[in-house]
Amino acid sequence: DGGITQSPKYLFRKEGQNVTLSCEQNLNHDAMYWYRQDPGQGLRLIYYSQIVNDFQKGDIAEGYSVSREKKESFPLTVTSAQKNPTAFYLCASSLTGERQPQHFGDGTRLSIL
Amino acid sequence: GENVEQHPSTLSVQEGDSAVIKCTYSDSASNYFPWYKQELGKRPQLIIDIRSNVGEKKDQRIAVTLNKTAKHFSLHITETQPEDSAVYFCAAYNEKLTFGTGTRLTIIP
Repeated sequence: DGGITQSPKYLFRKEGQNVTLSCEQNLNHDAMYWYRQDPGQGLRLIYYSQIVNDFQKGDIAEGYSVSREKKESFPLTVTSAQKNPTAFYLCASSLTGERQPQHFGDGTRLSIL
Repeated sequence: GENVEQHPSTLSVQEGDSAVIKCTYSDSASNYFPWYKQELGKRPQLIIDIRSNVGEKKDQRIAVTLNKTAKHFSLHITETQPEDSAVYFCAAYNEKLTFGTGTRLTIIP
């Protein structure tokens, strides 16, 4: 879906460094999500936000932080507390309400230097 | 919380044959079940979904069936083509989506 843009495509983190992954959408969706994808595993929910200035922890929030200051943007910070950050990170958005399909960005692949 | 199991983890079928991927879920309150296709290095794309008040849904060569009593749902792809090769994920929704671990489908020409 061209309406969700993630950047950068590839990111490298040094030990002890925080890094921020960008996610922008122009679909006018209220809800946004961050998932982590590891090889051979499904997508696991890190954080989600149903509305501006509000967000909730998902299943694996430890070592991550988010903000939702604008409807279009939902950046994810991978902090130094996340000891195993190497993964493929996917951002998604949807309309609010039950049973709304989620649409994904192209992802950011994060690796440790 | 919800737990979604997906089988098989890998599946190879001859071009033109059918492929079936099965998922089970644990939370009877889950009420929406999407299927995503992910090609290598690309974003997951929604290919079909079904709501809990429906037993079956078809879209051309793709169909999904849902058995609420048994808490399982399946993806059926008929007349498979090489471009169907990808990883397929099922998911169940109850306040949030919980994904299965994926099935790598390979279509053999």
